[in-house]
Amino acid sequence: KQEVTQIPAALSVPEGENLVLNCSFTDSAIYNLQWFRQDPGKGLTSLLLIQSSQREQTSGRLNASLDKSSGRSTLYIAASQPGDSATYLCAATGNDMRFGAGTRLTVKP
Amino acid sequence: SQTIHQWPATLVQPVGSPLSLECTVEGTSNPNLYWYRQAAGRGLQLLFYSIGIGQISSEVPQNLSASRPQDRQFILSSKKLLLSDSGFYLCAWSSGGAFGGELFFGEGSRLTVL
Repeated sequence: KQEVTQIPAALSVPEGENLVLNCSFTDSAIYNLQWFRQDPGKGLTSLLLIQSSQREQTSGRLNASLDKSSGRSTLYIAASQPGDSATYLCAATGNDMRFGAGTRLTVKP
Repeated sequence: SQTIHQWPATLVQPVGSPLSLECTVEGTSNPNLYWYRQAAGRGLQLLFYSIGIGQISSEVPQNLSASRPQDRQFILSSKKLLLSDSGFYLCAWSSGGAFGGELFFGEGSRLTVL
């Protein structure tokens, strides 16, 4: 059974810092891995989807990588801004879709 | 472009009362539809998913049910709510095979059972 873990659970950084969020999964037989952002009291917003055949995806200041062999994905956020403050969740899709518990990011002005 | 709508956004219901949450998707046909629940400190839990009209798969046995009366409409229901049903309910859709494509979520429905 797939298990998805996100560490750390919370992260606080000063504005302008580059940062990395981690996502690990136990079953490497996945079709894709997706990163989401969730603002308080809101639904999830899709950020990036990485297919199993891909190594990374980029969107603006966000870059997500996927290493199936090691069961890891990272979300890199460049030049962080206060507006990036949110909870970031990853989800690994195989026979079903499993979510991590999320990393709560706070970017301080 | 595709959009997904959920309502009501907020609901406060007494124990034992019925529930109906509705979700509709626009701009796509034959979407896969999902109901998730997000309880505080417990992450996202898949409740139901549907790959077509009248085709519902239940992931968690409980007093909730789901129906898909139309291609782009997904309804979550209960005949009698329990305190443990409180939570944040999220509808989502994807295209392609179930769990295969990019997943898009609605804004959620906050349910409080008193």
